[in-house]
Amino acid sequence: GAGVSQSPRYKVAKRGQDVALRCDPISGHVSLFWYQQALGQGPEFLTYFQNEAQLDKSGLPSDRFFAERPEGSVSTLKIQRTQQEDSAVYLCASSLGLAGNEQFFGPGTRLTVL
Amino acid sequence: GNSVTQMEGPVTLSEEAFLTINCTYTATGYPSLFWYVQYPGEGLQLLLKATKADDKGSNKGFEATYRKETTSFHLEKGSVQVSDSAVYFCALRGRDDYKLSFGAGTTVTVRA
Repeated sequence: GAGVSQSPRYKVAKRGQDVALRCDPISGHVSLFWYQQALGQGPEFLTYFQNEAQLDKSGLPSDRFFAERPEGSVSTLKIQRTQQEDSAVYLCASSLGLAGNEQFFGPGTRLTVL
Repeated sequence: GNSVTQMEGPVTLSEEAFLTINCTYTATGYPSLFWYVQYPGEGLQLLLKATKADDKGSNKGFEATYRKETTSFHLEKGSVQVSDSAVYFCALRGRDDYKLSFGAGTTVTVRA
């Protein structure tokens, strides 16, 4: 079947705008992760869902960041009042079971805040 | 907390050369260790993994051995190809944890 998909692939926002980034995990995958990858850096953990429950949001950098997965499938990462430091690639990953399974990554959304 | 330090790039090699990318880690307990690869225009893919000390992960000619005494997980390939040009990330996941901690990545370019 299809892998993890993300949309849009590229997003340019003006500072202060709100953005919403979508992740479609592999069908049937219980766990879903969001990571932020700044230019020239490795991905950094943002948040983790198990089905529709957000079990860990310790990596979200500020209260402007919000993630949801209301039906335990598609997830949306929302960033309010974007700032230039939010410019990064946002990666979504899903895994079949609970915590310890292999994470499959999507291609990412590159966000540029002007 | 958990952290990963990997060799800075970029690394440029000729085809059939030997590749080594150093990776060391800091973690409590016995983490699982991973190498991920990101080919141009694609998402991160798991290349290989090792879950306990002295385990060797291998895939596509790449190998890495989990060395607890030196807290290292160096990636090696004996003869690289142009198609191995990519960014390589070392990562760990703590025991009983779910989040991955990544190194900064090493860009490898293989010339024909």
